[in-house]
Amino acid sequence: DAGVIQSPRHEVTEMGQEVTLRCKPISGHNSLFWYRQTMMRGLELLIYFNNNVPIDDSGMPEDRFSAKMPNASFSTLKIQPSEPRDSAVYFCASSPSGLAGGPDDEQFFGPGTRLTVL
Amino acid sequence: QKEVEQDPGPLSVPEGAIVSLNCTYSNSAFQYFMWYRQYSRKGPELLMYTYSSGNKEDGRFTAQVDKSSKYISLFIRDSQPSDSATYLCAMKGTGGFKTIFGAGTRLFVKA
Repeated sequence: DAGVIQSPRHEVTEMGQEVTLRCKPISGHNSLFWYRQTMMRGLELLIYFNNNVPIDDSGMPEDRFSAKMPNASFSTLKIQPSEPRDSAVYFCASSPSGLAGGPDDEQFFGPGTRLTVL
Repeated sequence: QKEVEQDPGPLSVPEGAIVSLNCTYSNSAFQYFMWYRQYSRKGPELLMYTYSSGNKEDGRFTAQVDKSSKYISLFIRDSQPSDSATYLCAMKGTGGFKTIFGAGTRLFVKA
């Protein structure tokens, strides 16, 4: 079992550039989450999908952020244009649950993408 | 006020010490309480899971939930250097998917 796969692991870009982060969830998992982690704000939920459908994107900070899940095995988080304050570690997580949202619903996190915007 | 409050530490203890990590919360709808452990430059991983109030023990780890006080704790007995990590509390209500995480407490166990 490969676990949740994220790419790239590190990304350094300049302000104004487009950034695309990628995630492959664990096969068979129905829910996918994107988080952002910083020292100041901790771990923040940006958006989550269930069965490839966005359920709650209220955590997406601005219109510069967008996320897609075209199929059960792939999701992207895009930032356009990027700004220095977007610098953070971005995590993707998946969980087995269906729409009912089981109580013991463990989230499995990927290794994260460390984004630096200069 | 944040929904979940957690002291970020750092907390430094000698090997073999008992460690107490805590979180407070404001949302009485939370029913499921979790502790995740995050090693440096890794993603968080689930350590303990508790439903409603009470205690749960797993080896050297004990999770406690006091819903009346809106207070949860994680105890680590006989702490080891390998326990050095950031510990995040997390909680959610019934139904839905949204889990709220604490800021995490950095723990260092010195050999």
